[in-house]
This record gives sequence, structure tokens and C-alpha cells, in this order.
Amino acid sequence: GQNIDQPTEMTATEGAIVQINCTYQTSGFNGLFWYQQHAGEAPTFLSYNVLDGLEEKGRFSSFLSRSKGYSYLLLKELQMKDSASYLCASMDSNYQLIWGAGTKLIIKP
Amino acid sequence: GAVVSQHPSWVICKSGTSVKIECRSLDFQATTMFWYRQFPKQSLMLMATSNEGSKATYEQGVEKDKFLINHASLTLSTLTVTSAHPEDSSFYICSARDRVTEAFFGQGTRLTVV
Repeated sequence: GQNIDQPTEMTATEGAIVQINCTYQTSGFNGLFWYQQHAGEAPTFLSYNVLDGLEEKGRFSSFLSRSKGYSYLLLKELQMKDSASYLCASMDSNYQLIWGAGTKLIIKP
Repeated sequence: GAVVSQHPSWVICKSGTSVKIECRSLDFQATTMFWYRQFPKQSLMLMATSNEGSKATYEQGVEKDKFLINHASLTLSTLTVTSAHPEDSSFYICSARDRVTEAFFGQGTRLTVV
């Protein structure tokens, strides 16, 4: 079956670094997405990885290892506004997004 | 990035009535749009895939007669919740893809059925 696993909740301190992990098992693979979702709002796109390695985009970076079925989202210099849920989604062979349940990130001062 | 506009942002309706939610791609043509439902503290659940000019493809367990989807043009898809009941109260989100690598979401519609 298809499955996406990510931690339910994480806590980090303002100014610190946090890594949110995601493992996936899908029928075929056409890329791994990360989205940010604030409570009561729609998700917003953060990153897309289809090749192995690290993609850096400002304070956010995303890593992919296709052989391990593993990705992580790295957030640096955490700000209070980064408190949100972070959704990992894998695109399968039919170009359908398979969603994880999301990781709620709590930032403390 | 591309813009997807969803309307209304929130709606309260009486049990038994119908509600229509619109999803528009403002600056690109979306041949495919997706409708999701999200219950509190849960992940997005794909309800159906809407293709312009053809019938929507519904996920297992989603009643197509209750959740009517119309995709009449390349920039507009609508979801109508018919004979709504309190258990239909949820956050409904549409998404459109302009190319494979990105999916853009509407603002979402919070539906409350009383």
C-alpha cells in the first residue's frame, strides 16, 4: 500500500534549527513535496524534490534520498511565524499526491 | 506563483440545503483541479479529481451524488454539497496544477452545517 510517515508534533526554540523527517512508500515516484499549513488556512507550497540531494531555499531546505524513501525539511533561524503544520506529500506514478498527516511544529520563545 | 481563488471562505448553512463552492485559476489554465476535505487535526483527504470537459473521478467512499463537481472551463471548477448535514461540516480545499512540479491551493472554504 501507499504510506507517508512523519512525526505528529515537534517543539523547537526561536532562533534554533529543526529537521522534520518524512518516509514514504508509494506506487511509483514522481517527486516529494513539502507544504506549510497554518491553522484554518490552505497549504502553501514550500519545496519539490525529485532528485537525490539537498535543495536550499532561504531559511528552508529540503533533502531527498530516493533509495531510502526518505526526505526531510530543515528550517533554520526559526521564527514564531514558523509555527504551523508541515505536510509531506509524495507524487505517485499516476501523478497523484499522497499526503502525510502533517507535523505540527510548535515554536517557543 | 500561480493564483487559485476559492469562494466563499466560509459558509454556514441549514441542514438539508445545498452549498456551492467555486475554485478559479486566475492566471493559468488548469485542465485538472483537485478537491480535498480536511477535518480538524487531520491530513488532506482527496475527494475527487476534476478534469475540464469530462466527469470527475471520485475517490472511494465519496458520494458523487452528494458532492457534485463541475469543471466547465479551464479556469473554473465548482463543488456543490447537496442536502448538507452536520457531518459534512469541514474545511474544503481546491487545488490546481499548472505543471507537474507544483500544485497551488485555493484559500479553502470552512463549511458549517447547522
